[in-house]
Formats: sequence, C-alpha cells, structure tokens
Amino acid sequence: RKEVEQDPGPFNVPEGATVAFNCTYSNSASQSFFWYRQDCRKEPKLLMSVYSSGNEDGRFTAQLNRASQYISLLIRDSKLSDSATYLCVVRIYNQGGKLIFGQGTELSVKP
Amino acid sequence: DAGVIQSPRHEVTEMGQEVTLRCKPISGHNSLFWYRQTMMRGLELLIYFNNNVPIDDSGMPEDRFSAKMPNASFSTLKIQPSEPRDSAVYFCASSPSGEAPLHFGNGTRLTVT
Repeated sequence: RKEVEQDPGPFNVPEGATVAFNCTYSNSASQSFFWYRQDCRKEPKLLMSVYSSGNEDGRFTAQLNRASQYISLLIRDSKLSDSATYLCVVRIYNQGGKLIFGQGTELSVKP
Repeated sequence: DAGVIQSPRHEVTEMGQEVTLRCKPISGHNSLFWYRQTMMRGLELLIYFNNNVPIDDSGMPEDRFSAKMPNASFSTLKIQPSEPRDSAVYFCASSPSGEAPLHFGNGTRLTVT
C-alpha cells in the first residue's frame, strides 16, 4: 500500500463547479499535511497547509480527519486557472521529518 | 529573495556517462530534499539532509546514485553511470526546520539516451 494515496484523475469540470479531492495516508505518525499544486512542466508549489480544525483560503477549503487518516481539498467556483495537478503531502516526524507526496490528481476546468 | 536554484535546467547525456545535478537551497533553510518525478511513479523522495547531514537515503534507487551536501548552501546529486531509466525530472527542495513546507527549485530535466 502506498503511504499517501489520492483519488485517481483526471477530473474534468466546467467553470464554476465545485470539486473535491481526497487523500488517505497510512502512517499514523504523520504530523503535518499540505496540498501542493503543480502546473504542467513546472515545479510543485505550496497551495495551503492543512490544520486539524480545517482551514479555508478563499475558494479553497482543506479538511483533516486524523482518526480516519484522511485529508480533503474542496475548490468552489472553479476557474480555468485552477487547471493543474494537486498533490497531497504528509510529513512524518518519526522518520526525521520526511515529506511524502501522493501521485497527484489532475484537474481540468473547461469553459 | 532568490528561491531554490538548480542547475542545469536540462541535461541530455548518453548511457554510461556521469551526470551531476546541482542545488543551492534558500539561505537559512536547513533541510534539503532531492526528489525524482516520472509519469509512472510520480514524485519520489531520493534523499534528504538536515543541517548538511543525510538523514534518510532509503529512496536512492541504487549505488549508481550518490548525494552530498558539503555546506549549507550547496548540494549535488550524482549518477554514475547513467542509464536510460534514470530519465526524469529531478527536483531539489528546501525548508526551514520544523513544520514549514517545502520550496522547490525549477528542476533538472534529465534525458539519458
């Protein structure tokens, strides 16, 4: 089983749609969680950290469920510019702070 | 403030040749990570350093791969000898200690023919 697993993509949605990505992690020692965004042929960039109480940044909402070892990202009112691959990331402190990336979920927002 | 700087941006080499990838982390960051990305396997952690010391190199695929961090501002990833299956984008990333997220360089696109 992979340490971090994400929904298979691609997700093809119309502009204005709401889309949700899910991610599960297997190591219960995982302590920090992030969502990164990667555009085609570019480096991954931090989208947002994920906090235990859940957090929101504009149209983006991240949730964490430690009991189920589950992270989600919700994008509301999707824009064409949201088209990218979204990567779920966990940091494992009992392995020296190792950061593990999921395979990523591709999102394509169409006009 | 300059981000993580990697060189070269592109490298094309023949099978059997030595390849050296370079990385300069963000000043003040004391953790440095090397990742490899392919379509099939996604982003794989190869090795990472804390305060210039290798912490976990379990992701290094084989003895042909080696990484060094001689000081806080420079790291290299070397492949010797290179093989076609090493073709990938290699990313270097750095972060401050603690819970801070990673900052990635632009990557080196390696093609081994």
